[in-house]
Amino acid sequence: QQQVKQSPQSLIVQKGGISIINCAYENTAFDYFPWYQQFPGKGPALLIAIRPDVSEKKEGRFTISFNKSAKQFSLHIMDSQPGDSATYFCAAPLFNKFYFGSGTKLNVKP
Amino acid sequence: NAGVMQNPRHLVRRRGQEARLRCSPMKGHSHVYWYRQLPEEGLKFMVYLQKENIIDESGMPKERFSAEFPKEGPSILRIQQVVRGDSAAYFCASSPFHGQGHGELFFGEGSRLTVL
Repeated sequence: QQQVKQSPQSLIVQKGGISIINCAYENTAFDYFPWYQQFPGKGPALLIAIRPDVSEKKEGRFTISFNKSAKQFSLHIMDSQPGDSATYFCAAPLFNKFYFGSGTKLNVKP
Repeated sequence: NAGVMQNPRHLVRRRGQEARLRCSPMKGHSHVYWYRQLPEEGLKFMVYLQKENIIDESGMPKERFSAEFPKEGPSILRIQQVVRGDSAAYFCASSPFHGQGHGELFFGEGSRLTVL
C-alpha cells in the first residue's frame, strides 16, 4: 500500500508561472511533511517542510499548503524558473522510515 | 563538513557477479538508510540501519541483498548474484535524529548499478 500518493507525474510550466504538485496520505500518525528536490544525476535534497500545526509555510518562491482534514499537502512554486526544472518528491516519516511519493518531473519552459 | 559519500558512483557488473555499494554518512550521523530508484520512478525504501544494528529491512528483497553498518567504517549494501532487474540507482541517506523521524534526511549522490 502506498503511504503517500503524489500527482501529477509530470508537469510543464512556462517561465513565470505557478507550479503546483499535490500529495495525499492516509496515515494520520504522520506529523512531518517534507518536500525533496532532485536534479538529474544527483541525490534528493530537502527543499521545504511543514508540520501539521500550521496550514502554510513559505520560503522564498516555495510554499507548502497543508489541509489536515483532507489529509493533503501541496507544493506551490511561484514565478517558476527554468532552474526549478527537477523532480520533486513529497514524503512523510513514521518511526524513522521515510515514505516518498512517486515523484513529479517538472519542466519549466523558458 | 563533508556530505554523505557514496562509492562507487557507477558500477557495471555481469549477471551472477556481486555488487558492493558503500556509504559514509555525514559526520555525527548514526542513522543510515538505503533507497533504490529505478529510471523515471520514485524512491523505494530498502533498509534502515543504526551502528551495528539493522532496524528495519522490510523493503529489502529476502534473497541476495544484505546490508550492514559496522561500528567502524562505511555502511555496505551487498547484492549477490546480480540480475538485470537490479540495475538502478541506489541512494544512501543519513540522519542524526531518532524517534519520530522529524529530522532531515541527507542524501548522497547515489551509486548507479548497471547489470549486463
